[in-house]
Order: sequence, then structure tokens, then C-alpha cells
Amino acid sequence: DAKTTQPPSMDCAEGRAANLPCNHSTISGNEYVYWYRQIHSQGPQYIIHGLKNNETNEMASLIITEDRKSSTLILPHATLRDTAVYYCIVRGYGGATNKLIFGTGTLLAVQP
Amino acid sequence: DTEVTQTPKHLVMGMTNKKSLKCEQHMGHRAMYWYKQKAKKPPELMFVYSYEKLSINESVPSRFSPECPNSSLLNLHLHALQPEDSALYLCASSQVSGGGVGGELFFGEGSRLTVL
Repeated sequence: DAKTTQPPSMDCAEGRAANLPCNHSTISGNEYVYWYRQIHSQGPQYIIHGLKNNETNEMASLIITEDRKSSTLILPHATLRDTAVYYCIVRGYGGATNKLIFGTGTLLAVQP
Repeated sequence: DTEVTQTPKHLVMGMTNKKSLKCEQHMGHRAMYWYKQKAKKPPELMFVYSYEKLSINESVPSRFSPECPNSSLLNLHLHALQPEDSALYLCASSQVSGGGVGGELFFGEGSRLTVL
């Protein structure tokens, strides 16, 4: 079962930051937070992941709260090409927790 | 090369046919996955191979038969499928089969299957 809760949809103006929230209140100590996105009719694309520290790469930033019960994916300057379904996933290492199980995700619509 | 290549992109088959979906990666990844995605739904995990051995089968019906001939190839053999099996089948690979460093999955573009 998916262990995350995300809003079903969000809008963002082009050029503005998109902040996508995710709740994972039952996350355990060995589970990572992963973000993927899926643009229509394409395969999912890995964005970023983290354990407890904030992370940044060329695509996005990931902010994880100190208690690790929630996180926010930040796309600093959203473009129309960022319109996609964004999935927040928790995944452990080893045993049954290492499955990458997709939840329902957030449909981000970037508006011109 | 950071690609996962899936063939064919589209496949139409009858319920009595036998067909196969193929997936290939040359990133040296040791874990490979099959997911199934119905329209407007998230991908559902079907199978996981780790070091060419089947490590996870998510109670998938036997009419779907995975095969991992070597570390670069993953097949999904299809036999006696039902119309409700029509979906996008996604292949993915990762360096390792767990979370953490090397656990990020790289997905192919999928094979869209229609069962008549």
C-alpha cells in the first residue's frame, strides 16, 4: 500500500516556484523519500530522493521536515514542460519495504 | 547511455496469441522491473529481478511470464491474455534493488498493449 498522501491537483503560473507537498507520517527510519514525475504518455522520470537532509539537484529541491513526516518538492521556476503527475514515494532498503509503490500523485498544471 | 529501451512500442494481440515484450538497458544495472499502468492510474508493480533472479512477484497471473536472460535484458511473455490486460507496460532498471544510493529507477517509454 502507498504510504503517502498528496493533493490530487495543483496549479502553478509559469516562471513561478511550484511547491508540491507530501505527507508520509508513518515513514520509518530506514525509508527514503523519492519523487518521480510522469509526463503524459511517457515513462516515469526520477527527480530526487532524500533520507533526512534537504537535497538539491539540477531539477528540483527536496525539503524534508525534521520529524520526517512530510516533505515538499520545489521546482524553482516552473515551465509548461513541467506539467505532469508528480509522485511522492517512500522506499526502504531490504525486505518488503524496498518496493517502489506509486500512489495517486499530484497533477501539476503549469499555466502560461 | 542512460536509456531503457522497450519494444515494441505498440502491440495488438488476440486472446489466443502468444507474444513477448522486451526491455534492454546498458547501464550495468543489476535490478530490473515490470510495471503495469492502466489509463489515469498510477503504475502497479508486477515483478522485480535482482541479479537476474526473480525477487518479487506481486501475485501476477501466470498468463504473464517474466524472463531475465542476462543482466541487460528483461522479457515479459504473454499468453492467453484477457481484454482487461490491455495497458501500458513499463520496464525499469536500477543499480540496486533497494532504496538509497543507486536505488533510483530509470523507466522506459513503455509498450502499449491492446488485447482484443
